Amino acid sequence: NAGVMQNPRHLVRRRGQEARLRCSPMKGHSHVYWYRQLPEEGLKFMVYLQKENIIDESGMPKERFSAEFPKEGPSILRIQQVVRGDSAAYFCASSPGQGKETQYFGPGTRLLVL
Amino acid sequence: SQQGEEDPQALSIQEGENATMNCSYKTSINNLQWYRQNSGRGLVHLILIRSNEREKHSGRLRVTLDTSKKSSSLLITASRAADTASYFCASWGGTGANSKLTFGKGITLSVRP
Repeated sequence: NAGVMQNPRHLVRRRGQEARLRCSPMKGHSHVYWYRQLPEEGLKFMVYLQKENIIDESGMPKERFSAEFPKEGPSILRIQQVVRGDSAAYFCASSPGQGKETQYFGPGTRLLVL
Repeated sequence: SQQGEEDPQALSIQEGENATMNCSYKTSINNLQWYRQNSGRGLVHLILIRSNEREKHSGRLRVTLDTSKKSSSLLITASRAADTASYFCASWGGTGANSKLTFGKGITLSVRP
């Protein structure tokens, strides 16, 4: 039973480019969470999605960031026109359902913006 | 200060010693969780304690929760070099769809062999 998978593991972008981060939840999990971790910091909640629905995006910047979790395929976190301050580790977690408080984390994508 | 703050920020101990890490939170919670993160890796869930529980054990881990003080502690007994990692507490709060985990900044634990 594969765990949460994220790709790419490392991503380098120049300022102004787009970054696409993918997350495949654990089998049977329909809830996905995205977090951002800055160096020497804890994880900050960004967005919570279920299949085809954004449930809570209160932690996501209003500009340039978007997330989706389509009926088929992985969840995507998209950052347009990246800036240096977007450099961070982005983690995805999944859970089997609402009210299931334990989340299972992927290995993360390290984004570096040059 | 923010929800889920841990102290100390860094802890260095000798293998075999016990490690105690503390966490405070600000708002009411449904449960509090501890996670471990090895360098460059994702988070691994260690233990969850509900708001109506005071103490919980799992192997060499012991976690306590004091809701009156809004604090929790994680004790790792008989530490091993492999316990070297960052440890995060995370409070689960909110209701329904707004429920979410709020993480602290983490504690870096170094266990010297």
